[in-house]
Amino acid sequence: GDSVTQMEGPVTLSEEAFLTINCTYTATGYPSLFWYVQYPGEGLQLLLKATKADDKGSNKGFEATYRKETTSFHLEKGSVQVSDSAVYFCALKEAGGGSNYKLTFGKGTLLTVNP
Amino acid sequence: NAGVMQNPRHLVRRRGQEARLRCSPMKGHSHVYWYRQLPEEGLKFMVYLQKENIIDESGMPKERFSAEFPKEGPSILRIQQVVRGDSAAYFCASALQTGLNTEAFFGQGTRLTVV
Repeated sequence: GDSVTQMEGPVTLSEEAFLTINCTYTATGYPSLFWYVQYPGEGLQLLLKATKADDKGSNKGFEATYRKETTSFHLEKGSVQVSDSAVYFCALKEAGGGSNYKLTFGKGTLLTVNP
Repeated sequence: NAGVMQNPRHLVRRRGQEARLRCSPMKGHSHVYWYRQLPEEGLKFMVYLQKENIIDESGMPKERFSAEFPKEGPSILRIQQVVRGDSAAYFCASALQTGLNTEAFFGQGTRLTVV
């Protein structure tokens, strides 16, 4: 079945550091890929998405590129802020099989940014 | 437009009791999904409901768990005779429609602790 593997946390960075959170996936066909963010005490929010190979999703300074050849969707940000401290989830939706509503999540990566 | 509302935020139950988790979707959303997050795990799909119908319950444990989404009122996830292994965060999400590129909006979750 489909699966998502993301970088083990926690990740601790200083403000303005470069961030990479790795995410790789296993899926049949061509899934859509997502990054969700969960701020402390809140629900998951969609951060960005990509729906086909070579697409780049971007939002709030975060970027991720859908790499079919490496089955990856790594999250990057050039300069993190304290307010980016949160748990980040990589997820996919499978394209076929009649269940294109179902999200498969990675375990989440806790990011802490210190001033 | 209020987001997805889940209550209670925290629920403590003794072994053998029943737990009822409520989810009010965003206004106009008729598609509801429940996910469970066990400690140190990612979110796992449990069930997908539309008004008065269960569409996909492939992620629901076979016994003690049930879900409904009545014509009026919130969606309910019901766990009978809870055991310690049911302790988890339960997230509800809603969507305006279903599909590969449709965004699902998540609630803040209900954290169930079984003592």
